[in-house]
Amino acid sequence: QVQLVESGGGVVQPGTSLTLSCAGSGFFFNDYAMHWLRQAPGKGLEWVAIIWHDGSQKYHGDSVKGRFSISRDHSKDTVYLHMSNLRAEDTGVYYCAREQYSDAFDLWGQGTLVTVSS
Amino acid sequence: QAGLTQPPSVSKGLGQTATITCTGSTNNVGHEGATWLQQHQGRPPKVISFRRNNRRPSGISDRFSASRSGDTASLTITGLQPDDEADYYCSAWDSSLSAWVFGAGTKLSVL
Repeated sequence: QVQLVESGGGVVQPGTSLTLSCAGSGFFFNDYAMHWLRQAPGKGLEWVAIIWHDGSQKYHGDSVKGRFSISRDHSKDTVYLHMSNLRAEDTGVYYCAREQYSDAFDLWGQGTLVTVSS
Repeated sequence: QAGLTQPPSVSKGLGQTATITCTGSTNNVGHEGATWLQQHQGRPPKVISFRRNNRRPSGISDRFSASRSGDTASLTITGLQPDDEADYYCSAWDSSLSAWVFGAGTKLSVL
């Protein structure tokens, strides 16, 4: 079954760190660039980061630059989002999605909820 | 990061045609086109049109069609059905920002 499964969300305090995982299965994971996106409660989609299929390039959105970092483990077919210095405005559902040959976001996970609150 | 501009809402009757616009710049929509996503309440988004040649993924109805003129992309949905009622987002790679930018979303109501 072709799918992406996110994990690692939870309730954390402001200023702390958290790492999200996204595991792919049913397809050749290493052929795809991977994205992280998020959606605050009742709000629209916000792109967070992308990592190239071979990990050679990474880009992050302005709102998370310097605090979040995307990485991937080819041996585990998994992409990670390392989040530090979390803020209340980072609260939301975090999704991973894949991209190949400019066909972006053709497969999404179900999302994992991150709540930053004291 | 500067986002793309979409109307907040569009309302049309059952069986009618709805068009949602998305305005960006020469660095994003005008450069590589827009990707369109549909999101029903409480569900992950689903891509309905790829930026490359405005192609539909397999399984997406031909009632959905995308186009582009300059820095503005459009999504047209014909023969509106109740299940088309959802939020629609446009997105594009911005070559000057090296980032994906999104519109704020358009809520489509089918009356």
